[in-house]
Amino acid sequence: QKEVEQNSGPLSVPEGAIASLNCTYSDRGSQSFFWYRQYSGKSPELIMFIYSNGDKEDGRFTAQLNKASQYVSLLIRDSQPSDSATYLCAAPTSYGKLTFGQGTILTVHP
Amino acid sequence: ETGVTQTPRHLVMGMTNKKSLKCEQHLGHNAMYWYKQSAKKPLELMFVYNFKEQTENNSVPSRFSPECPNSSHLFLHLHTLQPEDSALYLCASSPLLRRQDRAGGNTEAFFGQGTRLTVV
Repeated sequence: QKEVEQNSGPLSVPEGAIASLNCTYSDRGSQSFFWYRQYSGKSPELIMFIYSNGDKEDGRFTAQLNKASQYVSLLIRDSQPSDSATYLCAAPTSYGKLTFGQGTILTVHP
Repeated sequence: ETGVTQTPRHLVMGMTNKKSLKCEQHLGHNAMYWYKQSAKKPLELMFVYNFKEQTENNSVPSRFSPECPNSSHLFLHLHTLQPEDSALYLCASSPLLRRQDRAGGNTEAFFGQGTRLTVV
């Protein structure tokens, strides 16, 4: 089982819709989770992090964490074409390293 | 300007060459990473250094040799690479990442801009 797993997609949504990105993790000791966005040819940039169960909102982005289910998600409201990118979920795992999922490719079409 | 700087940004090398990638972070972090990202593939963790000590070698071939002389600098020495090693090599740093710190805290990683490596 992969330590951090995402649906690779691609996920395609129309402009203005809600994009939902999902991630599961295997290490119950992981308590902080990060969402990165990576544009093609660029390095990943941090957009959200979450430590507590429940929802965390930042502008159009909402991160959701369910530790019992070992599940973390990212919702993007009012999706824009500029949101088209690969979204990476990451968590510190049992050996003190930050492990990334394989990424979900999101395309927002006009 | 990113707090993590990688040089060079682009590198073309032959299979018999020896080259080095450099990473420098100005964020006061204690953990540094090398990742490899091939076309249309996920990020692959290569090496992890915590407090200048290598804590992870993710089954990387010996033609890749990391060096971490201090907590601000990380190198990746390359020799006798293969064309399939062509990829984007990303350096990242994060705050304190001790084994017992796998829980919370500010453990987010900050990435450099990467070195686009082409092996011919």
